[in-house]
Amino acid sequence: GAGVSQSPRYKVAKRGQDVALRCDPISGHVSLFWYQQALGQGPEFLTYFQNEAQLDKSGLPSDRFFAERPEGSVSTLKIQRTQQEDSAVYLCASSFSQREVNEQFFGPGTRLTVL
Amino acid sequence: AQSVTQLDSHVSVSEGTPVLLRCNYSSSYSPSLFWYVQHPNKGLQLLLKYTSAATLVKGINGFEAEFKKSETSFHLTKPSAHMSDAAEYFCVVSGLGNTGNQFYFGTGTSLTVIP
Repeated sequence: GAGVSQSPRYKVAKRGQDVALRCDPISGHVSLFWYQQALGQGPEFLTYFQNEAQLDKSGLPSDRFFAERPEGSVSTLKIQRTQQEDSAVYLCASSFSQREVNEQFFGPGTRLTVL
Repeated sequence: AQSVTQLDSHVSVSEGTPVLLRCNYSSSYSPSLFWYVQHPNKGLQLLLKYTSAATLVKGINGFEAEFKKSETSFHLTKPSAHMSDAAEYFCVVSGLGNTGNQFYFGTGTSLTVIP
């Protein structure tokens, strides 16, 4: 009965470092989303998976951002050569089906600070 | 294209008085609309959703919202504010399209409840 979990909850990186953020969706949920929430703003879409297929990555801000979900469950968002503008909360969400619009269940987020 | 506009970035009410958080949407499709709440250091929680059924939607914790197509609005209301309602509220629009079940968030309304 666990919800969406994310790790780490907090990450501090020096500019130029690579980071990897993990998301464990609710078991059985087909759809998985990543969002970026800057301070004082609403979350903005990054990318979307249906099972292991990445169907939309139009929101990824640059080619330094990469996401995968190789077995259709756990997903990892990787940011290479981090920049200060990457500082934000990264939210993961999952939903049960793609056949209709469903509620998305959100994880607590990973707060990334790039120094 | 879909988008939402939250008309107030901050709302302050006295405990026991009504709450009104305003949201207008734009959608190329028949929209699905949601309100989420975000308490400090906690994940986004669904308050209620509209998916083309009844236009008056009741959610958790006494909140409700009315879908008005003619006004393209989906305002969130509660008859009597409680201290625990203090949080950030996000209006969200979604709709099936090429990008699937992607959520478009408003910029949020911060609700303060004065004792």
